Amino acid sequence: SQQGEEDPQALSIQEGENATMNCSYKTSINNLQWYRQNSGRGLVHLILIRSNEREKHSGRLRVTLDTSKKSSSLLITASRAADTASYFCATLRNSGNTPLVFGKGTRLSVIA
Amino acid sequence: KAGVTQTPRYLIKTRGQQVTLSCSPISGHRSVSWYQQTPGQGLQFLFEYFSETQRNKGNFPGRFSGRQFSNSRSEMNVSTLELGDSALYLCASSTDGVYNSPLHFGNGTRLTVT
Repeated sequence: SQQGEEDPQALSIQEGENATMNCSYKTSINNLQWYRQNSGRGLVHLILIRSNEREKHSGRLRVTLDTSKKSSSLLITASRAADTASYFCATLRNSGNTPLVFGKGTRLSVIA
Repeated sequence: KAGVTQTPRYLIKTRGQQVTLSCSPISGHRSVSWYQQTPGQGLQFLFEYFSETQRNKGNFPGRFSGRQFSNSRSEMNVSTLELGDSALYLCASSTDGVYNSPLHFGNGTRLTVT
């Protein structure tokens, strides 16, 4: 079963608006990563945030991590049509056979 | 630097057959991990190889196996194919493995089992 669960499943916004996606997980983690996937292609790494970090920025991306709530959020500011993609969180777990667990993703559509 | 290369891009196989997928990592990366992506189950971790040794394995049956060569290239094999094995198979490489460094993904092999 998936550990990470993204919310919402789909999001549609206008170009220039901000997009916020959330990820919740169940067990303790070492780090949490966000990836982007364009239709039918491989994933592209966006940001890695470690369990002892609370916030991280990369360009127009801002990621927060709340380990007490077992949740993370990805904020994309001033969105562009090129940001249209699926976004996945992936949690690196402290134990278990499967070290890296992906959520089912948020499908973001940015309308020009 | 060349990215992660997966071949073939598309495959159509019949139930009961076996298939081998190939993954060439970024030069210098010692870790290769494999993932299965389906609409129903999403992205699921299959296994990771690091310096020719399997380091982690996900919850998949023994029909799914892999190996890594001395040049870090990796192959994944699925035997006795089932309809449910139809999926996009992705491999990813990294410098120090899934625990320590971001993953660089290939564009995947789309497997269809009929």
